[in-house]
Amino acid sequence: DAGVIQSPRHEVTEMGQEVTLRCKPISGHNSLFWYRQTMMRGLELLIYFNNNVPIDDSGMPEDRFSAKMPNASFSTLKIQPSEPRDSAVYFCASCVSNQPQHFGDGTRLSIL
Amino acid sequence: EDQVTQSPEALRLQEGESSSLNCSYTVSGLRGLFWYRQDPGKGPEFLFTLYSAGEEKEKERLKATLTKKESFLHITAPKPEDSATYLCAVQSYYGQNFVFGPGTRLSVLP
Repeated sequence: DAGVIQSPRHEVTEMGQEVTLRCKPISGHNSLFWYRQTMMRGLELLIYFNNNVPIDDSGMPEDRFSAKMPNASFSTLKIQPSEPRDSAVYFCASCVSNQPQHFGDGTRLSIL
Repeated sequence: EDQVTQSPEALRLQEGESSSLNCSYTVSGLRGLFWYRQDPGKGPEFLFTLYSAGEEKEKERLKATLTKKESFLHITAPKPEDSATYLCAVQSYYGQNFVFGPGTRLSVLP
């Protein structure tokens, strides 16, 4: 079975540019989560969706961050405009409700 | 607010030297406690779920236990391939959110 697929694996861009991260969850999973991981703050939940509907976006740091899930097999996390402090590894995870999450291998984002 | 702490922050063991990692939590109604392993450059990989105090789960050299306030991940006779960061997370009955601890970086030296 294919796991959670994230793209790109690495992204390097200049401050002010728009960044779009993509995630394909495991087929059949109805919950999807976006996390950010840094050395200082560890793994932080940004937003999660249940049945394609955003349930809790209280972890989204600013209005510069937005996330969508247009269908059960695709989600995006967008940062516009990007800033150097957004540099981190961004993970997507999916699960069946209340079951353990399965994580992708992340997108390492560097904003110069 | 649900919180998870882990100790120690880092642990260095000799191959074969057994030890335990701690995960302390406060949560408003525990639905489940989860242990994950994370290798460098990879996403967390699920290991165990524990649901109630007294429960234990085992997998190879790892055994996870749960009390009402904490969980332990016991590593018996570790090997260098057990080197990784081990993360603990909790989920409450009142939301689907998973709250992660900061992790313990384990190094097992040959």
